[in-house]
Amino acid sequence: KNQVEQSPQSLIILEGKNCTLQCNYTVSPFSNLRWYKQDTGRGPVSLTIMTFSENTKSNRRYTATLDADTKQSSLHITASQLSDSASYICVVSFPHRANDYKLSFGAGTTVTVRA
Amino acid sequence: DGGITQSPKYLFRKEGQNVTLSCEQNLNHDAMYWYRQDPGQGLRLIYYSQIVNDFQKGDIAEGYSVSREKKESFPLTVTSAQKNPTAFYLCASSPRTGGLTEAFFGQGTRLTVV
Repeated sequence: KNQVEQSPQSLIILEGKNCTLQCNYTVSPFSNLRWYKQDTGRGPVSLTIMTFSENTKSNRRYTATLDADTKQSSLHITASQLSDSASYICVVSFPHRANDYKLSFGAGTTVTVRA
Repeated sequence: DGGITQSPKYLFRKEGQNVTLSCEQNLNHDAMYWYRQDPGQGLRLIYYSQIVNDFQKGDIAEGYSVSREKKESFPLTVTSAQKNPTAFYLCASSPRTGGLTEAFFGQGTRLTVV
């Protein structure tokens, strides 16, 4: 069973509108939580990285939140643009062995921004 | 330009063939990774390497092989033993494994069995 669940699977929004993507995880303990943006047919690009002690982090129009108690994270996109159309992937880093970590990936939320 | 380069972008394989996907980085990163991406699923780790001449199996290593003879290169061979190789393959690198270390991804190779 995937340890990182994202919702919704996909969504469509109008240009200029805001949207929020959800990520729930069961990985424990964890080192940090990341959000990536992946354009179709390209590799993922990092948007934010948050440790368990951080509640929010912003990168331009992207704002990520983290509640380590409930194991939930969200990514808020403000004033969406056509270039925001992509898949957004939630990733949790967790200790694997001594001095080694692994990444657990969500399946992603596909966002389509329409003019 | 610094970065991580995968080639080819598209690759077609006949049944029973082995094919090799290239991954090169000039970021001077110690760690390199291979992931497989299938529709509706999260990325799954195939193999990773923390240093030259050393690599470890990931979660789905069966039917794949790798080598790490040079720091900048981490090729992946998809063997005929991999029964369902059609997928999007992503290579990544990081200065070291895990923790807060940022991982940088290549642009991917789409492999199709014909």
